[in-house]
Amino acid sequence: DAKTTQPTSMDCAEGRAANLPCNHSTISGNEYVYWYRQIHSQGPQYIIHGLKNNETNEMASLIITEDRKSSTLILPHATLRDTAVYYCIVRVAVTSYGKLTFGQGTILTVHP
Amino acid sequence: NAGVTQTPKFRVLKTGQSMTLLCAQDMNHEYMYWYRQDPGMGLRLIHYSVGEGTTAKGEVPDGYNVSRLKKQNFLLGLESAAPSQTSVYFCASSYEAGDHSNQPQHFGDGTRLSIL
Repeated sequence: DAKTTQPTSMDCAEGRAANLPCNHSTISGNEYVYWYRQIHSQGPQYIIHGLKNNETNEMASLIITEDRKSSTLILPHATLRDTAVYYCIVRVAVTSYGKLTFGQGTILTVHP
Repeated sequence: NAGVTQTPKFRVLKTGQSMTLLCAQDMNHEYMYWYRQDPGMGLRLIHYSVGEGTTAKGEVPDGYNVSRLKKQNFLLGLESAAPSQTSVYFCASSYEAGDHSNQPQHFGDGTRLSIL
């Protein structure tokens, strides 16, 4: 699975959009980009995933560059409850099992 | 909709004791996983199961055993607990078969285990 690089930490004002970048320059054609987050003392929570097209759901939007070497997770209107560690994960979908490799992630702090 | 439920939420054991962690999912998922999370190390896969009656080793399987007797349950056992097994344990499940192989994993809220 491709390695990902994320900033260690980011800040965002409540009500503003939070844009979390992820670099995955060695991504292969059959690897998906997944985003999870982990709020303190809770289990990881799935947010969104995509292959090459931009994706949107009720939680966030995922923008993947045309060359697929980087992506951005967008939380359109961040709230205090969005403070968490955000993980960008790249993995091959067609494997015998879906092992997820969590890196260090980005600590997002949403402040009033 | 409960999703993935882990029991117990907290436990303190003495070295050498045994215990079983239970994971139950109500989403009819084929795949189930056990991870451990330690400070500064992210999540590491212990064991996983691709279906009822089947299990396989992950990255850090030593000292643990698992069983998947029913599709909805995945048990993680510690036969002789050691202080190095102090960790937070997460169970996850996913629907993963055929064309749906890109489905995400859904996690429980974890079991915090301390071995004294």
